[in-house]
Amino acid sequence: KAGVTQTPRYLIKTRGQQVTLSCSPISGHRSVSWYQQTPGQGLQFLFEYFSETQRNKGNFPGRFSGRQFSNSRSEMNVSTLELGDSALYLCASSLTDSPYYEQYFGPGTRLTVT
Amino acid sequence: AQSVTQLDSQVPVFEEAPVELRCNYSSSVSVYLFWYVQYPNQGLQLLLKYLSGSTLVESINGFEAEFNKSQTSFHLRKPSVHISDTAEYFCAMTKAAGNKLTFGGGTRVLVKP
Repeated sequence: KAGVTQTPRYLIKTRGQQVTLSCSPISGHRSVSWYQQTPGQGLQFLFEYFSETQRNKGNFPGRFSGRQFSNSRSEMNVSTLELGDSALYLCASSLTDSPYYEQYFGPGTRLTVT
Repeated sequence: AQSVTQLDSQVPVFEEAPVELRCNYSSSVSVYLFWYVQYPNQGLQLLLKYLSGSTLVESINGFEAEFNKSQTSFHLRKPSVHISDTAEYFCAMTKAAGNKLTFGGGTRVLVKP
């Protein structure tokens, strides 16, 4: 069974640009969550989607947005990039939105903003 | 507000020695607790979880954690570590509904020969 796939794996962008990151969950999984990992702030929750609906949103500015498609694939978008957006962005998928089902994490997309 | 505190940011330990990673949580409602491990340049892998029932939970690779409600703790232990256990370990919690995880700051374990 293929794991969670995130593309691209590495990305370099310039301040002010926008970026779109993609996450393909494990087949059959309907819940996708996104996290930002930085050395200073650690792992912070961005959003959670279940069956194309945003169920939870973390404490991030409106420049961070996401969506989930009918095939459960998810994208997150960051507009007007700032240096502080440099981070590892992790996606996790799960069968449902219940904590009784394990969340499987992808390898992440490392975004560098210059 | 919910929070998770990992009391040690780094733990150096010799191979075959025991290790304990400390985790305390704060929440006004019942929570579910998890330990994840992250190897260099990889995502997170679930080590073990406490959802209900027995307060002592074990993983397949020798780790165990004990849920202590009165002390709001979920410490992780391994009686004998291997070089391959070198990684960063994260304690996390979530509430009954949804998959939103609140993570602690992580503990880097460096196993020395």
